[in-house]
Amino acid sequence: KAGVTQTPRYLIKTRGQQVTLSCSPISGHRSVSWYQQTPGQGLQFLFEYFSETQRNKGNFPGRFSGRQFSNSRSEMNVSTLELGDSALYLCASSSKGGLNEKLFFGSGTQLSVL
Amino acid sequence: GESVGLHLPTLSVQEGDNSIINCAYSNSASDYFIWYKQESGKGPQFIIDIRSNMDKRQGQRVTVLLNKTVKHLSLQIAATQPGDSAVYFCAEPQGGSEKLVFGKGTKLTVNP
Repeated sequence: KAGVTQTPRYLIKTRGQQVTLSCSPISGHRSVSWYQQTPGQGLQFLFEYFSETQRNKGNFPGRFSGRQFSNSRSEMNVSTLELGDSALYLCASSSKGGLNEKLFFGSGTQLSVL
Repeated sequence: GESVGLHLPTLSVQEGDNSIINCAYSNSASDYFIWYKQESGKGPQFIIDIRSNMDKRQGQRVTVLLNKTVKHLSLQIAATQPGDSAVYFCAEPQGGSEKLVFGKGTKLTVNP
């Protein structure tokens, strides 16, 4: 069974631009979560989707948004990029997204904002 | 509120030694903890978990200990190998949701 797939693997953008990152969960998994990882702040939760609905959201500005499609694939979008948005963006999937369910992470998209 | 943190940002051990990575948490009501391993260029990988009704749980070469009295958990790796070199995170769900709160991580370096 294929793991969580994130594309692209690397991305370079300039300030003010917007970016869309993609995540394909493990087949059969319906919950997708997104995390931002930076050296300073570590791993921080962005949001979680289940059956095309956002169930949880972290403390990030409205420039960060996401969505989930009927096939459980998910995208996240960051608009008006800032230098501080440079980070590794990780997607994780689980079967139902239930409490204490194991998360499976992708390898992430490394975003650099210049 | 919930928070998890690790005592040491780095740990260096000799191949074959046992490694102990520590984590402290602040919420006495926390009832589930997970350890993740993140190798360079990869996402975090689940290692082992433990629920608050247990003090110890063993996996393959790994043991997690939970001390609820002092709100501390540790990950012990037996006979550490070069392939164990990675950053290790403890994590816990926040507020009964699927959201995980991660500690800052401990970078384990295994010297040959």
